[in-house]
Amino acid sequence: DAKTTQPPSMDCAEGRAANLPCNHSTISGNEYVYWYRQIHSQGPQYIIHGLKNNETNEMASLIITEDRKSSTLILPHATLRDTAVYYCIVMDSNYQLIWGAGTKLIIKP
Amino acid sequence: DAGVTQSPTHLIKTRGQHVTLRCSPISGHKSVSWYQQVLGQGPQFIFQYYEKEERGRGNFPDRFSARQFPNYSSELNVNALLLGDSALYLCASSSLTGWGYTQYFGPGTRLTVL
Repeated sequence: DAKTTQPPSMDCAEGRAANLPCNHSTISGNEYVYWYRQIHSQGPQYIIHGLKNNETNEMASLIITEDRKSSTLILPHATLRDTAVYYCIVMDSNYQLIWGAGTKLIIKP
Repeated sequence: DAGVTQSPTHLIKTRGQHVTLRCSPISGHKSVSWYQQVLGQGPQFIFQYYEKEERGRGNFPDRFSARQFPNYSSELNVNALLLGDSALYLCASSSLTGWGYTQYFGPGTRLTVL
């Protein structure tokens, strides 16, 4: 079973920051949080991952709460091409990615 | 650099047939994982291979099998196809296996079973 819960859908205006929440209250000490996105049945695209500290790369920022029970993916300036299903995933103890249903993010002009 | 490649891109089979899907990992990556994604759902883990050995298996019947070759490419085989096997089959590669290592996905093979 997936270890994460996400809202099924969200809207964001083009040019604004998109903030996607994720709950992972049962996460254990060594488990990383990964974010992927999938555009229209293409292969999932890796975005970012983290363990405890906040992380930033050229695509997004990942904010993890101090208790590690939740995180937020931030796309700083959303464009129409960011419309996709976003998955928040915790890698399980067998190093497998266990996926939930994700959040369908729609960027509106 | 080439990413993960999969072949074929699309495939149509009939019930009871057998299918072989192929995956070439990113150069230098030694681990390959296979996932099944049914329409409207997130991917479901099938297998993981590392250094030609099976390291993990998801909750799939024995009709599903896989192997990894010395060049780290991989095949997924499905026997006695059922209508419910229709899905997007995804292959992902990573340099090593373990927490913190990132899996990179190929474009997938769309299998339709009639």
